[in-house]
Amino acid sequence: QLQLQESGPGLVKPSETLSLICTVSGGSISSNDYYWGWVRQPPGKGLEWIGSIYYSGSTYYNPSLKSRVTISVDTSKNQFSLKLNSMTAADTAVYYCARRNKRYGSGDYWGPGTLVTVSS
Amino acid sequence: DIQMTQSPSSLSASVGDRVTITCRASQSISTFLNWYHQKPGKAPKLLIYAASTLQSGVPSRFSGSGSGTDFTLTISSLQPEDFATYYCQQSYSTPSTFGQGTRLEIK
Repeated sequence: QLQLQESGPGLVKPSETLSLICTVSGGSISSNDYYWGWVRQPPGKGLEWIGSIYYSGSTYYNPSLKSRVTISVDTSKNQFSLKLNSMTAADTAVYYCARRNKRYGSGDYWGPGTLVTVSS
Repeated sequence: DIQMTQSPSSLSASVGDRVTITCRASQSISTFLNWYHQKPGKAPKLLIYAASTLQSGVPSRFSGSGSGTDFTLTISSLQPEDFATYYCQQSYSTPSTFGQGTRLEIK
């Protein structure tokens, strides 16, 4: 059974960089059929797609965040990561990692999510 | 960006009811439309992909239809575990975008 798990700090100071890792277990990240991505959800609000990466390293970012986001993959560790710089209070959210079907774009496996709060 | 608009924003229904949620895209997205539900404190769960294909393990009381700009999710007979927030998502173009959500509550 595939499992995804986010890890990283729960509290980030304004202007700093958020770094999150998603560890994939029960399956290989080096699959031709899937992208690996990040989605966030501010408290009480809806879902926002941040970006995705293919195991080869090809990336796709939400233009609204593109200038601040970097997603990378480490196939040797079966992990992918998110870096979001210049954090502000508006970036406070639950951050989810997810597997996306390459053909349909649907997110079929998700991590449980991690709450990141931006505060001094 | 493609805007996704769901209706209604909230809905009250009873166990056993038939419920329909609508999602409209701001431009044609073919059948690149996915449906999720989300319970408080949990990650979204995929129900339907490609507008009408039931995700493995999802009960058959869930069904989806539509193409182009107009889509529907139908729950044929509501069960207690179905009370949640429902989201549609377009995966036709980058950035992928979600509807604002439909909160399904117990009447």
